[in-house]
Order: sequence, then C-alpha cells, then structure tokens
Amino acid sequence: NAGVTQTPKFQVLKTGQSMTLQCAQDMNHEYMSWYRQDPGMGLRLIHYSVGAGITDQGEVPNGYNVSRSTTEDFPLRLLSAAPSQTSVYFCASTNGVGEQYFGPGTRLTVT
Amino acid sequence: AQSVTQLGSHVSVSEGALVLLRCNYSSSVPPYLFWYVQYPNQGLQLLLKYTSAATLVKGINGFEAEFKKSETSFHLTKPSAHMSDAAEYFCAVSDRNSNYQLIWGAGTKLIIKP
Repeated sequence: NAGVTQTPKFQVLKTGQSMTLQCAQDMNHEYMSWYRQDPGMGLRLIHYSVGAGITDQGEVPNGYNVSRSTTEDFPLRLLSAAPSQTSVYFCASTNGVGEQYFGPGTRLTVT
Repeated sequence: AQSVTQLGSHVSVSEGALVLLRCNYSSSVPPYLFWYVQYPNQGLQLLLKYTSAATLVKGINGFEAEFKKSETSFHLTKPSAHMSDAAEYFCAVSDRNSNYQLIWGAGTKLIIKP
C-alpha cells in the first residue's frame, strides 16, 4: 500500500517557468489537498478537492491551478513560477473523519 | 469559525523530563482533534487522534493527549522525553461544519536538551 506519493522530491525552476507537481493516492479517498510549508508559517492550504471533478481554493491559491480528473490523482500546476513560491509542498488525502495522510513533500526552489 | 492555537512556537525540555505541548481549539460542534509530528526534512505523520471515543488518547512513541471539552484543550504529553522526540508538532481540528477540512495550528518545535 503506497499511500500518498509525490513527484518530484526536489525541483529548481527559473522565474517564469511552469511545472506540475504530481500527487497520487491509492486509498480511494475523496478529499485531497495541497499545502505549502514555509519556515515559521505552518501549513497553508493552497487548493483542495472533495472528489473527481470538484476543486476549490484554499488560503493561498494565487499562482497555482489544480484539476481532479480521477479519484487517485491531484496534480498542482505552477503557472509562472516566482521566487515567493519557493517552499516545501505537501499533498494529502483525507479519510471520512478528517484524518490526513501526507506525501513525502516536494522541495521547490525558484531562482 | 474554527481555530487552533498552539502555545509556544518552541518548547525546550531536558532528556527524561515531562513533555507538555499545548493546544486549544474553537469549534461550535463536537470536534475531531489530531496531533501530527514532522521530523526534520520529512512529511507529517499522525501521532494520535480524538474522534469522540475515550477522552484520553494514546498515540505512537509514548505520547498521549486528553480531550477536555470544558477547557477546549487537547494538550500533548509524554512522561519522559527522548532525544528522538525532537521534531515539530502540529495540532489540528476538524468538524462536520467544515466538511471535515482540517484547521491547523502553527506548530511547536520541540527541542530536547541532553
């Protein structure tokens, strides 16, 4: 049972480049989320999805897009990378009582 | 609206001493409460959870937490700290009003002194 997987683990982008962070889960959870974690700021919700075809914005959605075509996959797209998006990104899937299962994270640096 | 407050961004204890990490929450309906731990350069993993069963919840690595409704608290404790407990700890709350979306505390970094 793989749980939640994320790729890549590390990424360096130049300002203005775009990329997609991949996230997949094999627990058949409807609810999935993307967070960013910055020093001293805890976890901040970027986008979330309550099921295939349904997404919504979290606390810090600007500069990011998501889609949910299947229950398993929830990719996060950076449209035009900015240095302010340097962060660690975590994907999570959630069971029916709010218990979240996290991926290992993607450490992104934008230069 | 829900909120979670963790008192102290850093807590320092000596090895062998009691660990107490504080978490207070606000929720207008019965909550589900969680503690997660994040070791350096790793993702978050569930330490323990309260989902309306016993108010004293035991988790992994000797940690436990007690749900106190009257105090709206869910403090995390461990009788004797080990060096391996050094990590960041996050408290979170969810309830049916938020469709069980987790609301996170800011985290407390636990430092263990030899």
